[in-house]
Amino acid sequence: DTEVTQTPKHLVMGMTNKKSLKCEQHMGHRAMYWYKQKAKKPPELMFVYSYEKLSINESVPSRFSPECPNSSLLNLHLHALQPEDSALYLCASSANGQGNTEAFFGQGTRLTVV
Amino acid sequence: GENVEQHPSTLSVQEGDSAVIKCTYSDSASNYFPWYKQELGKRPQLIIDIRSNVGEKKDQRIAVTLNKTAKHFSLHITETQPEDSAVYFCAAKGVLTGGGNKLTFGTGTQLKVEL
Repeated sequence: DTEVTQTPKHLVMGMTNKKSLKCEQHMGHRAMYWYKQKAKKPPELMFVYSYEKLSINESVPSRFSPECPNSSLLNLHLHALQPEDSALYLCASSANGQGNTEAFFGQGTRLTVV
Repeated sequence: GENVEQHPSTLSVQEGDSAVIKCTYSDSASNYFPWYKQELGKRPQLIIDIRSNVGEKKDQRIAVTLNKTAKHFSLHITETQPEDSAVYFCAAKGVLTGGGNKLTFGTGTQLKVEL
């Protein structure tokens, strides 16, 4: 299984809603990532988890809250988002926390904030 | 932090021609350089990567070259086909003391292969 699976595929939420994005991988990877991608732009790193510990937070606003319950799962909790947060949210994983290893991307959650 | 520049932003070629996309990076400590292909509405998919101890790597119609001194790396696609049409992103991996790969992406190249 070389898949990173994200749910839901699409999400529309109001600015007062609370929602969560989910990501799962069963490749035994120990590093997991959240990226944000706006239309016609490259992915931008948000968070990195390495061995289930938050390794980097790229100065992401607190309305985005990551969680890594175990080595296979990664969540992104959303609260009080703004319309400008509408984007494709990509989860990725790589084999371990160090070294030059391939990052596998999920198919993304297309988020629309209304 | 790392800064990756990518050129050109758009590239149109005739089927069967070659396509070349170029990237430069700023952090001399970067040591891993993947290339991703992203079709419209789909996820980025790795097509080839190169590590800093190698100058060139080839996989069928795709090749990547790396010049560490100049901090340049390039993607070469030969015998292009319509299904090669997509956005291509280069990336450079920086060093994270806490672990994990920090990939900084270039701005992307929209490749169009015309019949």
